[in-house]
Amino acid sequence: AQSVTQPDIHITVSEGASLELRCNYSYGATPYLFWYVQSPGQGLQLLLKYFSGDTLVQGIKGFEAEFKRSQSSFNLRKPSVHWSDAAEYFCAVGAGGTASKLTFGTGTRLQVTL
Amino acid sequence: EAQVTQNPRYLITVTGKKLTVTCSQNMNHEYMSWYRQDPGLGLRQIYYSMNVEVTDKGDVPEGYKVSRKEKRNFPLILESPSPNQTSLYFCASRRFLTDTQYFGPGTRLTVL
Repeated sequence: AQSVTQPDIHITVSEGASLELRCNYSYGATPYLFWYVQSPGQGLQLLLKYFSGDTLVQGIKGFEAEFKRSQSSFNLRKPSVHWSDAAEYFCAVGAGGTASKLTFGTGTRLQVTL
Repeated sequence: EAQVTQNPRYLITVTGKKLTVTCSQNMNHEYMSWYRQDPGLGLRQIYYSMNVEVTDKGDVPEGYKVSRKEKRNFPLILESPSPNQTSLYFCASRRFLTDTQYFGPGTRLTVL
């Protein structure tokens, strides 16, 4: 069975600083990987996804993530954080040929100080 | 407007009283799924459906039922709700593997 670990429950960064959110996964085959963002009281929005090919993927809102098979990681990065990025971020791994079964991490809450 | 709708958005009920949370999408998506979100546990998949009449269990299916008789609808049924099913529930849909998964606004359920 697949699993996802997000080791940081809560992270605080200053506006304009760089950001890296960690995600480690466990899955026997090539995984499908996702990052979602959830603003307070809202549903989830897809930031980016990795299926195959280039291991550095670009997403919306200036986010990117790098798939590192050797480290079983899919860390999310942003070079300069904006106050509006404050939210909860979830990493997820999809199993099966169609990623039909999704397993989410427990989330990282990002706080941005001005 | 492309969207996933859930009803009701908020529900307070009592133990054992059967309830249904509806989910509908207007994007002609094949794939639909239900999740529950609990503090400190993230989202956990309850059931998913690859198409009409095709459903399968996620990670936490106990106590829940689903059906997929029409492509656009994927209701979640709690035959005998218990307090441990108090949670925030999300429905989601997508067309095919590489497509973006769209989430509904959530249903906050409280079982007393």
